[in-house]
Amino acid sequence: LAKTTQPISMDSYEGQEVNITCSHNNIATNDYITWYQQFPSQGPRFIIQGYKTKVTNEVASLFIPADRKSSTLSLPRVSLSDTAVYYCLVGDTDQGGKLIFGQGTELSVKP
Amino acid sequence: DSGVTQTPKHLITATGQRVTLRCSPRSGDLSVYWYQQSLDQGLQFLIQYYNGEERAKGNILERFSAQQFPDLHSELNLSSLELGDSALYFCASSVGGMGNQPQHFGDGTRLSIL
Repeated sequence: LAKTTQPISMDSYEGQEVNITCSHNNIATNDYITWYQQFPSQGPRFIIQGYKTKVTNEVASLFIPADRKSSTLSLPRVSLSDTAVYYCLVGDTDQGGKLIFGQGTELSVKP
Repeated sequence: DSGVTQTPKHLITATGQRVTLRCSPRSGDLSVYWYQQSLDQGLQFLIQYYNGEERAKGNILERFSAQQFPDLHSELNLSSLELGDSALYFCASSVGGMGNQPQHFGDGTRLSIL
């Protein structure tokens, strides 16, 4: 199983860049890495997905090294509204598509 | 708005009872996923259906069952409820059937067992 490990919490200040790293040592060849954001009492919201190297969209970047055993979500210039829990997700196709969420990183952005 | 609709938003019932949670996926999505989120267990994958058929199964209890209907909506049935079943239950949907597809989540059903 492609188990993931993330820091439990992180603190930052408005305007800073935040990097959250996820470890997934047993990632399978066909697995993609996906990050979600969750606010209290809401469902997770898709942020970004990648397979290797770097992916960038309008809200974040995702860096994946060549061995794919980890990934880093980068949030540029965070604001107070970015305070949320961030989940790293690795699809485990070896187990028939069983999905494993990481424990989540609680990001707190302070003024 | 993710386009995924879950009903009811809140459900309060007693131990031993049975409840049904309903999910309507985003228009065009063929896969439906169910998750349970509790304070001590985090977000746990329960089961996935793709175009009416079971595609993947996670840590779903035998007391729980699900199905996806021809119109693609899905229901999660929870029976013989226990206090520990109190949680947020999320439904998500995606276009295809592969587990790597980005998923779109509903706002959940909060189940409280008294």
